[in-house]
Amino acid sequence: DAKTTQPPSMDCAEGRAANLPCNHSTISGNEYVYWYRQIHSQGPQYIIHGLKNNETNEMASLIITEDRKSSTLILPHATLRDTAVYYCIVRVAARRGSTLGRLYFGRGTQLTVWP
Amino acid sequence: DADVTQTPRNRITKTGKRIMLECSQTKGHDRMYWYRQDPGLGLRLIYYSFDVKDINKGEISDGYSVSRQAQAKFSLSLESAIPNQTALYFCATSDPGGSYTDTQYFGPGTRLTVL
Repeated sequence: DAKTTQPPSMDCAEGRAANLPCNHSTISGNEYVYWYRQIHSQGPQYIIHGLKNNETNEMASLIITEDRKSSTLILPHATLRDTAVYYCIVRVAARRGSTLGRLYFGRGTQLTVWP
Repeated sequence: DADVTQTPRNRITKTGKRIMLECSQTKGHDRMYWYRQDPGLGLRLIYYSFDVKDINKGEISDGYSVSRQAQAKFSLSLESAIPNQTALYFCATSDPGGSYTDTQYFGPGTRLTVL
């Protein structure tokens, strides 16, 4: 699995968009980009994932560059409850029957949303 | 009710004691995982199971054992606990299904302290 590089910390004003960058310059063609977050000592929470197209769901948007070497997670209207550590993970997706399954969590980005 | 539950949520024990952490899920997923998290670090995989008959070691399995009693239950045991096993332990589940997604869903965690 490819490694990722994230800034250790960022902050954002409440109500503004939070843009969290991730570099994954060694990503392979069959590797997806996943984002999880962990709110202080709680279990990590899945946010979004994508392969090469931009993705959006009710929580966030994921923008992947055309060369797929980097991506940005966007929380469009950050709230205080979005304060958490955000993990960017790249890995091969595992279909049923595949032996792959684990996620490699790095140290992530500590996002602090302030009032 | 939570889809992935862990018991106990907190446990303090002494060196040399046998400890069992339990994980149950109602998501109907085949795959289950045990991770540990140490302060300031990401999650590291201890063991994982792709179905009831399948058990695999993760990157830090020494000192741990697991049991997959049923599709919904995956237990982690510390046969003889030692202080450096003090950590936050997370159980997770996933089911890749027929598509290239294998989102992992995490339990709330068990905080284990070994004195």
